[in-house]
Amino acid sequence: GQNIDQPTEMTATEGAIVQINCTYQTSGFNGLFWYQQHAGEAPTFLSYNVLDGLEEKGRFSSFLSRSKGYSYLLLKELQMKDSASYLCAVRGVGSGNTGKLIFGQGTTLQVKP
Amino acid sequence: SAVISQKPSRDICQRGTSLTIQCQVDSQVTMMFWYRQQPGQSLTLIATANQGSEATYESGFVIDKFPISRPNLTFSTLTVSNMSPEDSSIYLCSVPQFGEQFFGPGTRLTVL
Repeated sequence: GQNIDQPTEMTATEGAIVQINCTYQTSGFNGLFWYQQHAGEAPTFLSYNVLDGLEEKGRFSSFLSRSKGYSYLLLKELQMKDSASYLCAVRGVGSGNTGKLIFGQGTTLQVKP
Repeated sequence: SAVISQKPSRDICQRGTSLTIQCQVDSQVTMMFWYRQQPGQSLTLIATANQGSEATYESGFVIDKFPISRPNLTFSTLTVSNMSPEDSSIYLCSVPQFGEQFFGPGTRLTVL
């Protein structure tokens, strides 16, 4: 079976750092994605990890450990506009990099002043 | 990144009718995916739209309910047939490009 787990909700303070965890058990693995989704909008691509380690992109970083089936998204210097849902998704094994994505339930992050 | 457009952006439909959603990409892509996002939920894959062959459906989704066309490498349609209120969702198409995966703006469907 396939299972992707994330916390349902998190709250953090403006200017702080927050880490959103994602654990997965999938029948195949060809990369892990993080998306940001504001209410009423489509998901926006944030990061992609296929090898173990940390990928940094501005205020956002994503980490992957394939042996542990674990990833996290780190958001630094939180801003009010970072209040959104954060979706973890695993890409299965398909034709090269075109395998389908399986999504977790998403983590709703609320940033407070 | 790929530029993806969808039509319509939203619609309100009556029970028992059908709606066809269009997805247009600004570049040729081998595979296109259709997702559904029910209210307050995450995204669920409906099917993979393959050019030149039938779509591949995920468990719980069938061709009679969600027929898909893929006439060329830049365009696909998803039809939601014989709609019921439970079909009220956002429907999104998605394409992979350069290892990343991008989503269209979505079609918000409300069934009365």
